[in-house]
Amino acid sequence: NAGVTQTPKFRILKIGQSMTLQCTQDMNHNYMYWYRQDPGMGLKLIYYSVGAGITDKGEVPNGYNVSRSTTEDFPLRLELAAPSQTSVYFCASRTGSGNTGELFFGEGSRLTVL
Amino acid sequence: AQSVTQLDSHVSVSEGTPVLLRCNYSSSYSPSLFWYVQHPNKGLQLLLKYTSAATLVKGINGFEAEFKKSETSFHLTKPSAHMSDAAEYFCVVSEGRSSGSARQLTFGSGTQLTVLP
Repeated sequence: NAGVTQTPKFRILKIGQSMTLQCTQDMNHNYMYWYRQDPGMGLKLIYYSVGAGITDKGEVPNGYNVSRSTTEDFPLRLELAAPSQTSVYFCASRTGSGNTGELFFGEGSRLTVL
Repeated sequence: AQSVTQLDSHVSVSEGTPVLLRCNYSSSYSPSLFWYVQHPNKGLQLLLKYTSAATLVKGINGFEAEFKKSETSFHLTKPSAHMSDAAEYFCVVSEGRSSGSARQLTFGSGTQLTVLP
């Protein structure tokens, strides 16, 4: 059981480049999330999705885009990378509705923008 | 609205001594509360969760937490620290609303636990 899989694990971008972080889950979870983690700042929500075809902004969506064409996949697109987007990105999924289900996390994608 | 405050950014204990990581929350609705652990360069792993059943919750690796509504606290404890417990710990709150619940997960800023030999 793979759980939540993120690729790539590491990436270095130049300012202005674009890239997509991939996230796949095999638990048939409806809810999926993208977070970024900066040192000493906890996790900040970028975007989330409650099901295929439905996405919404989190706390820090600027500079990012997402899509959710299937239940399994939730890619995060970075357009025109900036140094402020240097961070560790985590994808997570959660089962069903309500507030009792826990998040399952991927291993993270470490992005550096130079 | 909901919020969560982890009262200590760093905690150091000696191996074999008790661990206490403090978490206070604020929520307008009946919350669910979670503790996650993150080892270096790893993703977050669930330690335990409270979802309005028993107020004393037992988790993995000997950790437990007690939900105290009157004190709005959900402190994480372990009787005896092990070197492998050194990691960052996050307290998370999720409000009990029927709508918008997908978004209503708020993370604390984390507590770094150091275990000294």
